[in-house]
Amino acid sequence: GAVVSQHPSWVICKSGTSVKIECRSLDFQATTMFWYRQFPKQSLMLMATSNEGSKATYEQGVEKDKFLINHASLTLSTLTVTSAHPEDSSFYICSAPTGYMTEAFFGQGTRLTVV
Amino acid sequence: GESVGLHLPTLSVQEGDNSIINCAYSNSASDYFIWYKQESGKGPQFIIDIRSNMDKRQGQRVTVLLNKTVKHLSLQIAATQPGDSAVYFCAENPPFGNEKLTFGTGTRLTIIP
Repeated sequence: GAVVSQHPSWVICKSGTSVKIECRSLDFQATTMFWYRQFPKQSLMLMATSNEGSKATYEQGVEKDKFLINHASLTLSTLTVTSAHPEDSSFYICSAPTGYMTEAFFGQGTRLTVV
Repeated sequence: GESVGLHLPTLSVQEGDNSIINCAYSNSASDYFIWYKQESGKGPQFIIDIRSNMDKRQGQRVTVLLNKTVKHLSLQIAATQPGDSAVYFCAENPPFGNEKLTFGTGTRLTIIP
Protein backbone atom coordinates (compact mmCIF):
# COMPACT_ATOMS: atom_id res chain seq x y z
CA GLY A 1 0.00 0.00 0.00
CA ALA A 2 0.86 3.67 -0.14
CA VAL A 3 3.27 5.05 2.43
CA VAL A 4 2.94 8.21 4.45
CA SER A 5 5.97 9.21 6.48
CA GLN A 6 5.73 11.57 9.42
CA HIS A 7 8.68 13.22 11.12
CA PRO A 8 9.69 13.51 13.88
CA SER A 9 8.10 10.61 15.74
CA TRP A 10 8.53 12.44 19.00
CA VAL A 11 9.66 15.86 20.12
CA ILE A 12 10.09 17.68 23.40
CA CYS A 13 10.12 21.45 23.36
CA LYS A 14 10.04 24.32 25.79
CA SER A 15 6.97 26.49 26.29
CA GLY A 16 6.91 29.39 23.90
CA THR A 17 8.88 27.72 21.16
CA SER A 18 7.59 26.46 17.83
CA VAL A 19 7.68 22.93 16.50
CA LYS A 20 7.36 21.78 12.91
CA ILE A 21 6.00 18.36 11.98
CA GLU A 22 6.39 17.02 8.47
CA CYS A 23 4.11 14.65 6.60
CA ARG A 24 5.28 13.13 3.33
CA SER A 25 3.56 10.88 0.87
CA LEU A 26 6.40 8.69 -0.34
CA ASP A 27 5.00 6.92 -3.35
CA PHE A 28 1.99 8.91 -4.41
CA GLN A 29 0.93 12.50 -4.82
CA ALA A 30 -1.46 13.97 -2.31
CA THR A 31 -3.26 17.17 -3.14
CA THR A 32 -5.02 16.86 0.18
CA MET A 33 -3.70 15.81 3.56
CA PHE A 34 -5.41 15.79 6.92
CA TRP A 35 -4.01 16.64 10.31
CA TYR A 36 -5.42 15.02 13.43
CA ARG A 37 -4.84 15.38 17.09
CA GLN A 38 -5.31 12.56 19.55
CA PHE A 39 -5.36 12.73 23.32
CA PRO A 40 -4.72 9.60 25.41
CA LYS A 41 -7.49 7.03 25.20
CA GLN A 42 -9.46 9.19 22.82
CA SER A 43 -10.30 9.12 19.17
CA LEU A 44 -8.71 11.12 16.39
CA MET A 45 -9.93 14.68 16.12
CA LEU A 46 -9.59 16.32 12.75
CA MET A 47 -7.81 19.64 13.06
CA ALA A 48 -7.48 20.79 9.48
CA THR A 49 -7.39 19.87 5.85
CA SER A 50 -4.18 20.74 4.08
CA ASN A 51 -4.62 21.68 0.43
CA GLU A 52 -1.71 21.75 -1.97
CA GLY A 53 -1.18 25.23 -3.33
CA SER A 54 -3.92 26.88 -1.30
CA LYS A 55 -4.86 27.71 2.26
CA ALA A 56 -5.67 25.02 4.74
CA THR A 57 -9.21 24.54 5.95
CA TYR A 58 -9.49 24.44 9.72
CA GLU A 59 -12.11 22.69 11.79
CA GLN A 60 -14.21 24.70 14.16
CA GLY A 61 -12.36 25.63 17.32
CA VAL A 62 -8.87 25.11 15.88
CA GLU A 63 -6.73 28.25 15.91
CA LYS A 64 -5.23 28.72 12.48
CA ASP A 65 -2.62 31.16 13.75
CA LYS A 66 -1.42 28.65 16.28
CA PHE A 67 -1.39 25.61 14.05
CA LEU A 68 0.20 26.75 10.81
CA ILE A 69 -0.17 24.41 7.88
CA ASN A 70 1.79 24.56 4.68
CA HIS A 71 1.30 22.25 1.71
CA ALA A 72 3.81 23.53 -0.77
CA SER A 73 4.21 20.38 -2.85
CA LEU A 74 2.20 17.33 -3.80
CA THR A 75 4.17 15.17 -1.40
CA LEU A 76 4.74 17.34 1.65
CA SER A 77 2.55 19.02 4.22
CA THR A 78 3.86 20.61 7.40
CA LEU A 79 2.16 21.48 10.66
CA THR A 80 3.85 24.08 12.83
CA VAL A 81 2.71 24.45 16.40
CA THR A 82 3.59 28.01 17.27
CA SER A 83 4.26 29.33 20.74
CA ALA A 84 3.65 25.89 22.16
CA HIS A 85 2.20 25.44 25.63
CA PRO A 86 1.89 22.34 27.80
CA GLU A 87 -1.75 21.96 26.80
CA ASP A 88 -0.59 21.48 23.20
CA SER A 89 1.10 18.26 24.27
CA SER A 90 -0.59 15.53 22.29
CA PHE A 91 -0.20 12.93 19.57
CA TYR A 92 -0.42 14.52 16.13
CA ILE A 93 -1.16 12.37 13.11
CA CYS A 94 -1.36 13.15 9.43
CA SER A 95 -3.11 11.22 6.72
CA ALA A 96 -3.33 11.34 2.98
CA PRO A 97 -6.32 9.98 1.09
CA THR A 98 -5.75 8.19 -2.15
CA GLY A 99 -9.06 9.20 -3.62
CA TYR A 100 -12.74 9.40 -2.90
CA MET A 101 -14.09 6.23 -1.36
CA THR A 102 -10.64 4.75 -0.97
CA GLU A 103 -8.58 4.23 2.11
CA ALA A 104 -6.53 7.00 3.63
CA PHE A 105 -3.00 6.23 4.75
CA PHE A 106 -1.67 7.53 8.00
CA GLY A 107 1.71 8.65 9.19
CA GLN A 108 3.30 7.12 12.24
CA GLY A 109 2.27 10.04 14.41
CA THR A 110 4.29 12.60 16.36
CA ARG A 111 4.28 12.68 20.13
CA LEU A 112 4.69 16.32 21.16
CA THR A 113 5.56 17.12 24.74
CA VAL A 114 5.78 20.76 25.77
CA VAL A 115 7.61 21.40 29.02
CA GLY B 1 -24.94 16.43 15.15
CA GLU B 2 -24.20 13.30 13.25
CA SER B 3 -21.47 11.04 14.51
CA VAL B 4 -19.89 7.68 14.29
CA GLY B 5 -19.80 5.87 17.60
CA LEU B 6 -18.93 2.56 19.15
CA HIS B 7 -21.01 0.53 21.55
CA LEU B 8 -18.20 -0.87 23.70
CA PRO B 9 -15.06 0.98 24.75
CA THR B 10 -13.22 -2.20 25.81
CA LEU B 11 -13.34 -5.83 24.82
CA SER B 12 -11.36 -8.78 26.13
CA VAL B 13 -11.21 -11.98 24.17
CA GLN B 14 -9.44 -15.28 24.77
CA GLU B 15 -6.70 -16.02 22.31
CA GLY B 16 -8.01 -18.18 19.51
CA ASP B 17 -11.60 -17.04 19.94
CA ASN B 18 -13.43 -14.79 17.54
CA SER B 19 -14.10 -11.16 18.38
CA ILE B 20 -16.75 -8.76 17.19
CA ILE B 21 -16.37 -5.01 17.42
CA ASN B 22 -19.40 -2.87 16.76
CA CYS B 23 -19.94 0.62 15.44
CA ALA B 24 -23.05 2.74 15.03
CA TYR B 25 -23.28 5.54 12.55
CA SER B 26 -25.97 8.13 12.16
CA ASN B 27 -25.34 9.67 8.74
CA SER B 28 -27.55 7.58 6.50
CA ALA B 29 -26.00 9.22 3.46
CA SER B 30 -22.50 7.90 4.20
CA ASP B 31 -21.34 5.66 1.42
CA TYR B 32 -18.00 4.33 2.54
CA PHE B 33 -16.67 2.91 5.78
CA ILE B 34 -13.24 1.87 6.95
CA TRP B 35 -11.92 -0.04 9.93
CA TYR B 36 -8.55 0.97 11.31
CA LYS B 37 -6.30 -0.64 13.88
CA GLN B 38 -4.12 1.53 16.06
CA GLU B 39 -1.38 0.12 18.20
CA SER B 40 0.00 2.13 21.06
CA GLY B 41 2.08 5.10 19.92
CA LYS B 42 1.47 4.48 16.24
CA GLY B 43 -0.74 5.83 13.51
CA PRO B 44 -3.90 4.00 12.43
CA GLN B 45 -3.44 1.09 10.08
CA PHE B 46 -6.01 0.18 7.46
CA ILE B 47 -7.75 -3.15 8.03
CA ILE B 48 -10.70 -3.37 5.72
CA ASP B 49 -13.26 -1.18 4.03
CA ILE B 50 -16.75 -1.52 2.68
CA ARG B 51 -18.95 0.53 0.39
CA SER B 52 -22.59 1.17 1.09
CA ASN B 53 -23.72 -0.97 -1.82
CA MET B 54 -22.38 -4.04 -0.02
CA ASP B 55 -23.40 -5.69 3.23
CA LYS B 56 -20.40 -7.93 3.78
CA ARG B 57 -16.76 -7.99 2.89
CA GLN B 58 -14.11 -10.46 3.90
CA GLY B 59 -10.39 -10.16 4.27
CA GLN B 60 -7.76 -12.28 5.86
CA ARG B 61 -9.23 -13.30 9.23
CA VAL B 62 -11.44 -10.21 9.20
CA THR B 63 -14.97 -9.61 8.04
CA VAL B 64 -16.88 -6.36 7.97
CA LEU B 65 -20.66 -6.38 8.05
CA LEU B 66 -22.78 -3.38 7.15
CA ASN B 67 -26.42 -3.11 8.12
CA LYS B 68 -27.79 0.03 6.55
CA THR B 69 -31.25 -0.52 7.97
CA VAL B 70 -30.05 0.05 11.51
CA LYS B 71 -26.91 1.97 10.56
CA HIS B 72 -24.59 -0.52 12.11
CA LEU B 73 -21.13 -1.67 11.21
CA SER B 74 -19.18 -4.52 12.73
CA LEU B 75 -15.71 -5.95 12.48
CA GLN B 76 -15.24 -9.63 13.08
CA ILE B 77 -11.78 -10.97 13.76
CA ALA B 78 -11.42 -14.72 13.56
CA ALA B 79 -9.00 -16.80 15.63
CA THR B 80 -7.62 -13.83 17.51
CA GLN B 81 -3.92 -13.59 18.18
CA PRO B 82 -1.94 -11.54 20.71
CA GLY B 83 -0.97 -9.17 17.91
CA ASP B 84 -4.61 -8.25 17.47
CA SER B 85 -4.54 -6.36 20.76
CA ALA B 86 -5.03 -2.72 19.80
CA VAL B 87 -7.63 0.01 19.55
CA TYR B 88 -9.99 -0.37 16.63
CA PHE B 89 -11.72 2.59 15.04
CA CYS B 90 -14.45 2.69 12.48
CA ALA B 91 -14.38 5.66 10.16
CA GLU B 92 -17.11 7.09 8.01
CA ASN B 93 -16.63 8.81 4.67
CA PRO B 94 -19.34 11.35 4.03
CA PRO B 95 -20.88 11.51 0.58
CA PHE B 96 -20.52 13.98 -2.25
CA GLY B 97 -16.84 13.50 -2.97
CA ASN B 98 -15.54 14.57 0.40
CA GLU B 99 -12.49 12.56 1.40
CA LYS B 100 -12.66 13.63 5.03
CA LEU B 101 -13.12 10.80 7.52
CA THR B 102 -15.12 10.91 10.73
CA PHE B 103 -13.80 8.54 13.38
CA GLY B 104 -15.69 6.71 16.06
CA THR B 105 -14.57 6.69 19.68
CA GLY B 106 -12.65 3.43 19.37
CA THR B 107 -12.72 0.04 21.07
CA ARG B 108 -9.72 -1.34 22.89
CA LEU B 109 -9.38 -5.03 22.15
CA THR B 110 -7.30 -7.09 24.54
CA ILE B 111 -6.40 -10.66 23.69
CA ILE B 112 -6.00 -12.84 26.74
CA PRO B 113 -3.30 -15.52 26.33
